[in-house]
Amino acid sequence: ILNVEQSPQSLHVQEGDSTNFTCSFPSSNFYALHWYRWETAKSPEALFVMTLNGDEKKKGRISATLNTKEGYSYLYIKGSQPEDSATYLCAFMGNAGNMLTFGGGTRLMVKP
Amino acid sequence: DVKVTQSSRYLVKRTGEKVFLECVQDMDHENMFWYRQDPGLGLRLIYFSYDVKMKEKGDIPEGYSVSREKKERFSLILESASTNQTSMYLCASNTQGALNTEAFFGQGTRLTVV
Repeated sequence: ILNVEQSPQSLHVQEGDSTNFTCSFPSSNFYALHWYRWETAKSPEALFVMTLNGDEKKKGRISATLNTKEGYSYLYIKGSQPEDSATYLCAFMGNAGNMLTFGGGTRLMVKP
Repeated sequence: DVKVTQSSRYLVKRTGEKVFLECVQDMDHENMFWYRQDPGLGLRLIYFSYDVKMKEKGDIPEGYSVSREKKERFSLILESASTNQTSMYLCASNTQGALNTEAFFGQGTRLTVV
């Protein structure tokens, strides 16, 4: 069983706060690291697919960094809004078999 | 518009019944996945298929089997449903060996075993 871990498990912040979450994954046999947002009553949707060590990606107020040598990725949300409330999932894709293994997720709740 | 479609949104089955959950994708993806989601446990991989008739066990395959007879369809089978298989089941698909391996998900099937 691949060990993909996310912290914290849940997070409550006020509107306007900036926040960040961590995903740790195996540092060997790396192919890609994915981030997904999963809103209630919807399907998970991809935010980022990251493949290169040192990669930084940005989409609006959300950004992510990747360190494949030490096996971690950070997701940052700047100026959180209530519509950012969701579960954020990371997923590790190894280069053997293309299996996609998810972490347990971070549940973010943004209070107005 | 890309699509992964699961056959049912809600299902209620009796203990001991054989249950089929169907998933179809229209993106010609090689990989297909079945996950279950339980509170506090994230998405746990049940089975994965990387080609027609090919499958690999995920983290929690016990009590499940799968079938992939055609590239677009991946079925999850509960041979004899039990109450501990009550869960949300999600199907996903993605492509192999590309820079963008983003996975696309179905809408989920909430299965209740009574």
